[in-house]
Amino acid sequence: DVVMTQSPLSLPVTLGQPASISCRSSQSLVYSDGKTYLNWFQQRPGQSPRRLVYKVSKRDSGVPDRFSGSGSGTDFTLKISRVEAEDVGIYYCMQGTHWPVTFGPGTKVDIK
Amino acid sequence: EVQLVESGGGLVQPGGSLRLSCAASGFTFSSYWMSWVRQAPGKGLEWVANINQDGSEKYYVDSVMGRFTISRDNAKNSLYLQMNSLRAEDTAVYYCARDPPYFDYWGHGTLVTVSS
Repeated sequence: DVVMTQSPLSLPVTLGQPASISCRSSQSLVYSDGKTYLNWFQQRPGQSPRRLVYKVSKRDSGVPDRFSGSGSGTDFTLKISRVEAEDVGIYYCMQGTHWPVTFGPGTKVDIK
Repeated sequence: EVQLVESGGGLVQPGGSLRLSCAASGFTFSSYWMSWVRQAPGKGLEWVANINQDGSEKYYVDSVMGRFTISRDNAKNSLYLQMNSLRAEDTAVYYCARDPPYFDYWGHGTLVTVSS
C-alpha cells in the first residue's frame, strides 16, 4: 500500500498568520491518465471530514481562497494564507491513485 | 443538496454482527461509486470498502475481507455495510462517502462499538 506521511503532525498557529502542511507519498501519485489523485480534507472537532482540495490544487466550491494546494509526484503542500479561528481541526491528505486509497495520519491545527 | 445519513451503529459483542445503512438524497445515487470509511476513536481515517454503480464490483481493505459485505439498493437510494465476526479493532465511526477516490461528500457517521 502507498504510505502517506504528513508534517508536522501538530501545528500551533497565530491568527492571521500563514500555515503550511506537507504531505509525502511512498510512490508517485501520477496515474496512467496523467492526473494526480491527491485530496485534502479538513475535519473540525466533532464533525465529519470535508473535502477542501482535489487533484492536488482544485479547490472545492465554498472553500475559502485562503486555502491552496500544490505539489507533484510524491510531494504535496496545503497552505492557509491567513489562519482564522474556524480553521482549527485536523487536516488529512489522501491518495486515490493506487488501490487501496490511503490517508495521511493527519495534522492537528490549533491556535496559539 | 447532497445528503448522506448513516444509521445502524451501536454496541455489539465480539463475534457479533451489525448492518449499517446510508440513505442518500440530493443526487442521482445510481450514478456514483460509493464507499465506507471508518475512524477509530482518536485515530485517523481508513477506507473500508467501495461499490460501483450497479453493485457488480466491490472492493475491501484486507482487514475486513470475508467479514464485511458492501451492498446497495438503487431503488431505495441506500448503501449498506453488513459486518459479521466483529472484533474490538472494528470499533470506529463509520462514514459513507460518495465517489471514491474523490470522496466529495460524507455523512455524519455512525458509531460502532465492539465490546463485551
